[in-house]
Formats: sequence, C-alpha cells, structure tokens
Amino acid sequence: GENVEQHPSTLSVQEGDSAVIKCTYSDSASNYFPWYKQELGKRPQLIIDIRSNVGEKKDQRIAVTLNKTAKHFSLHITETQPEDSAVYFCAASPDSSASKIIFGSGTRLSIRP
Amino acid sequence: DVKVTQSSRYLVKRTGEKVFLECVQDMDHENMFWYRQDPGLGLRLIYFSYDVKMKEKGDIPEGYSVSREKKERFSLILESASTNQTSMYLCASSFQGAPGGYTFGSGTRLTVV
Repeated sequence: GENVEQHPSTLSVQEGDSAVIKCTYSDSASNYFPWYKQELGKRPQLIIDIRSNVGEKKDQRIAVTLNKTAKHFSLHITETQPEDSAVYFCAASPDSSASKIIFGSGTRLSIRP
Repeated sequence: DVKVTQSSRYLVKRTGEKVFLECVQDMDHENMFWYRQDPGLGLRLIYFSYDVKMKEKGDIPEGYSVSREKKERFSLILESASTNQTSMYLCASSFQGAPGGYTFGSGTRLTVV
C-alpha cells in the first residue's frame, strides 16, 4: 500500500521568511496530493491540492510542487505570518475523489515574531 | 455550519469496555472514514466506507469494527477498549467521484484507563 513520508517533523522560521515542507510517496498510482492544516485544537482543513497532471500550483502565499518521476512533492509558504503556525499534513490518494487518503506524519510549523 | 459531527469531544472509558464513537454528516457524502491521530504518527486510517452497509479495512483495523446502517452515519466500535487505543479519533467524509478533499469532524479524544 501507499506510504507517505514527511520532513521535517518540526520547523521554526522567522516571521516574513519562507517555509518548505517536503514529502515522498511510494505508490506510483497515486495521482492526487492534498495538503491539510491543523491549528491547535481544531480539525484538519484542506488548504491546497495538486493532481498528477500538474507540476505546480499556487494560491496566494502558498504553493505546491510535484515531481512524479522522483515521487516527491513540497509545500512552500512565503512571507510567513503568525497565523501560519499549525501542524501541516501532506497526503496522497489514488484518485482525486479522495476515496482513500494516506497522510504523512505531520510538520509542526512555528513562526517566530 | 458544522457539516461533520462527532458525538463526543472527550471520552474516558475503562479497559475492556465496549466503546461506540459516532459520526454524522449532513452533506450527502458517499465516503466516510475513521482515522486516529497520534503525535509523530500523523493520521492513520482505521476503516472506511463507500456506501451504506459497506466497509473496508484501512491500515490499522485491529481492535476496531465499524457500522454504516445509514448513509449519513458511520460508527467506530472498540470491541474491548485497551490503553493503547487512547488517542484522538477523527471522522471525515467526501463525495464519491468528485474532486476535493475530506471534511473532518472536530475529533473525539478518547482516554482508556
């Protein structure tokens, strides 16, 4: 089955700097890659996703990149703000209908003022 | 505008008890999922269901069972609770055959003593 590895487990960046979280996956059949943000005490929420026919996707300060050949994908957050502090999960799924999603272990991002 | 509701936010049960965790969604989603969330391990899939009375094992089904008698309700059952089942349990749902990620419930923090 699919295995998703996520690094780093914790990340601390200065406010205004960029943050990068990296993930690898094992199943070449995976073609949908969502990212979730979980603020303290709250439920995970989808922040951005990418499908395998796309190499990069941006949404304001957030971008995701996908390298299908190498089976890795990354989340980039630019101009970080205090409200970006949260746990971020990458994930992989065999289809974009999210019939089954396998999550990474999470990255706790802290933004230093 | 809560869409996925988990019946209990906090639950304390004794070892050996039978435990029921309930999840209800009002979005007419076909897919429903149960995950457990543990620090450093991310979200691990326990069971999922694509339709009423249908269930499939996830990555860690041992010690759990599920029931889906109605489309909107998906129950997780711990047949005989053990201390290693102390965890945060998250329910999620999604549409079949449509792009997009999950909608999560708020979670149930279960402590088995």
